[in-house]
Amino acid sequence: DAKTTQPTSMDCAEGRAANLPCNHSTISGNEYVYWYRQIHSQGPQYIIHGLKNNETNEMASLIITEDRKSSTLILPHATLRDTAVYYCIAQNRFGNEKLTFGTGTRLTIIP
Amino acid sequence: GAVVSQHPSWVICKSGTSVKIECRSLDFQATTMFWYRQFPKQSLMLMATSNEGSKATYEQGVEKDKFLINHASLTLSTLTVTSAHPEDSSFYICSARDQSRPTEAFFGQGTRLTVV
Repeated sequence: DAKTTQPTSMDCAEGRAANLPCNHSTISGNEYVYWYRQIHSQGPQYIIHGLKNNETNEMASLIITEDRKSSTLILPHATLRDTAVYYCIAQNRFGNEKLTFGTGTRLTIIP
Repeated sequence: GAVVSQHPSWVICKSGTSVKIECRSLDFQATTMFWYRQFPKQSLMLMATSNEGSKATYEQGVEKDKFLINHASLTLSTLTVTSAHPEDSSFYICSARDQSRPTEAFFGQGTRLTVV
């Protein structure tokens, strides 16, 4: 799996958009960008994934640069419940492959 | 949606005893499950890959005789921490993929183990 780099921590005001960056400069052509988050003392939760096109679901949007070397997860209207550690992972899409977690970004939503 | 359930959510045990943690896929079958360990303020570290009907595959540095994994059915994997010591106190998390929806991994809620 390609290595990913994320900022250690970020703050965002409640109601504003939270933009979480991730660098994955060594990502290979068949690797997708996945985002998971972990709320304190819970198991991780899948958020979104993409290959090269921008993706949106009910939780977030994922913007991937054209060269695929970086991406940004966008939480459009952050709430206090979005306070969590967010993990960006590059991985092949299918199969019973293990997920390798980096240090992630600790996002704190400020009231 | 797919659900992975762990039991117990938390457990306190005496040093030297063994503790079993269960991981169940509630609405799908999982030929493979994964066990992670997470120490405070650290990321998840993969311990082993649990394969239904065969031996688990352990990551480097994880003692297979200490962390016994059994995956006897397509919906249940167990992790037994044998002869637990205080340094085994951690947050243990299991994960599985629904093969009909292989793009995302589902995680249990985690088990907080405290060894006293």
